[in-house]
Amino acid sequence: DTGVSQDPRHKITKRGQNVTFRCDPISEHNRLYWYRQTLGQGPEFLTYFQNEAQLEKSRLLSDRFSAERPKGSFSTLEIQRTEQGDSAMYLCASSLKGPGSKSGTQYFGPGTRLLVL
Amino acid sequence: GQNIDQPTEMTATEGAIVQINCTYQTSGFNGLFWYQQHAGEAPTFLSYNVLDGLEEKGRFSSFLSRSKGYSYLLLKELQMKDSASYLCAVTNDYKLSFGAGTTVTVRA
Repeated sequence: DTGVSQDPRHKITKRGQNVTFRCDPISEHNRLYWYRQTLGQGPEFLTYFQNEAQLEKSRLLSDRFSAERPKGSFSTLEIQRTEQGDSAMYLCASSLKGPGSKSGTQYFGPGTRLLVL
Repeated sequence: GQNIDQPTEMTATEGAIVQINCTYQTSGFNGLFWYQQHAGEAPTFLSYNVLDGLEEKGRFSSFLSRSKGYSYLLLKELQMKDSASYLCAVTNDYKLSFGAGTTVTVRA
C-alpha cells in the first residue's frame, strides 16, 4: 500500500497529557497537510509543509500544538497539555504539487482519532 | 475567508440519481474538489474541477460554474455502498476549505 499512513489510529488520553501523532505521506509527495475534523463537520486546515518547511499555521493551531517534518518525509503533530476540546479526528494529507491542477489533489490518510477524557 | 454551503442530508433509492449542490464564496479560486467519506474513515478523492463544465467519471459527474460560485456532484445508478458523506472543498492557495458535508442515505 503506497497511500498516506498515520499512526496511531486511535488514542485515548487524560486531560493534561501530551500526545504525538505520526504521518507518512505518499513517497513522492513533497507537500504535506494536517487537518482536524469534528463530528458532523468538514475537515479544518491546521498546517502545511512543503518539504521540511512549515509554510503556514492556522489560527486554530494554538501554542499547545506543534508540527514538524524534519527531513521532508514523515511529519509529527504534537499536542501538549491536552484539553477535552482537542478530541477530534486528526487527518494528514499529501499532494504531489500545489493547487491549480489535478496533480495538486490532496490524498488523505486514515486519520488518528483522539479522545481526551 | 471562505464560505461553502451544501445540504446536510439527502435520501435516495437504490438505482436512482442524486445531485448534491455546493455553493461557495471565496477570496481566490484554484479549483473545487469533491470527496467521499464513509463513517469513521478518511475522505477519498472523487473529482476535481478548475474550469467551467462537466467532468464525468463512471457513475459520478461533477459540474462547475465559476461565475455563479456553484458546483454539483451527480451520482447515478445509486448503490447501497454510496451511502456516505460527500464533501465539497475549495482551494485558493494550498489549503482546502471544506463544507460541512452532505450525508447521502441510499435505501433499498
